[in-house]
Amino acid sequence: NAGVMQNPRHLVRRRGQEARLRCSPMKGHSHVYWYRQLPEEGLKFMVYLQKENIIDESGMPKERFSAEFPKEGPSILRIQQVVRGDSAAYFCASSPAYATNEKLFFGSGTQLSVL
Amino acid sequence: GENVEQHPSTLSVQEGDSAVIKCTYSDSASNYFPWYKQELGKRPQLIIDIRSNVGEKKDQRIAVTLNKTAKHFSLHITETQPEDSAVYFCAALGGTSYGKLTFGQGTILTVHP
Repeated sequence: NAGVMQNPRHLVRRRGQEARLRCSPMKGHSHVYWYRQLPEEGLKFMVYLQKENIIDESGMPKERFSAEFPKEGPSILRIQQVVRGDSAAYFCASSPAYATNEKLFFGSGTQLSVL
Repeated sequence: GENVEQHPSTLSVQEGDSAVIKCTYSDSASNYFPWYKQELGKRPQLIIDIRSNVGEKKDQRIAVTLNKTAKHFSLHITETQPEDSAVYFCAALGGTSYGKLTFGQGTILTVHP
């Protein structure tokens, strides 16, 4: 009964590099949410995706950030040309198509550190 | 959009005492209010939740109350134990049909043995 799987757990990047964060939803789930947690703050919604479709990206910065959830494989959150302010914990959650407003269970997160 | 305020930011209690954390929300269309517990370096874990058609919900030492008129909800932990020490977050789900939660700023709870 695997939950939401995220990798890597820790990611270190230098300023200007690209960061790719992966999220595999729970088995049978076709909806994925990405949240970001800055140090000593609550989680903030970034983006909501279904397979091959972005539903709501209102919390995503307009530049450098993108997300996808392909037909096959995990959801990917991509951050181009990272800056120090991108250092944060990025959490993913998933839900089934038939109950998209049900409880959200988060993965273990990816801690991104930008040097 | 939704705005959630959480108080206090830190809370220190003696083992066995009760702890209460309060949150207010702004969107009257919000209908789902979960509470998460987060230990250092770990994922937020859902500990209890309440829907807007219910005023109170209890699960062993944890309870949540909701006042829709005043737009506030509270977490109550009784008989606190040192392992309850963590950061607690409240959240609210607005009028969307999907899991777009708005989180409070968090409360650092410390339970002293």
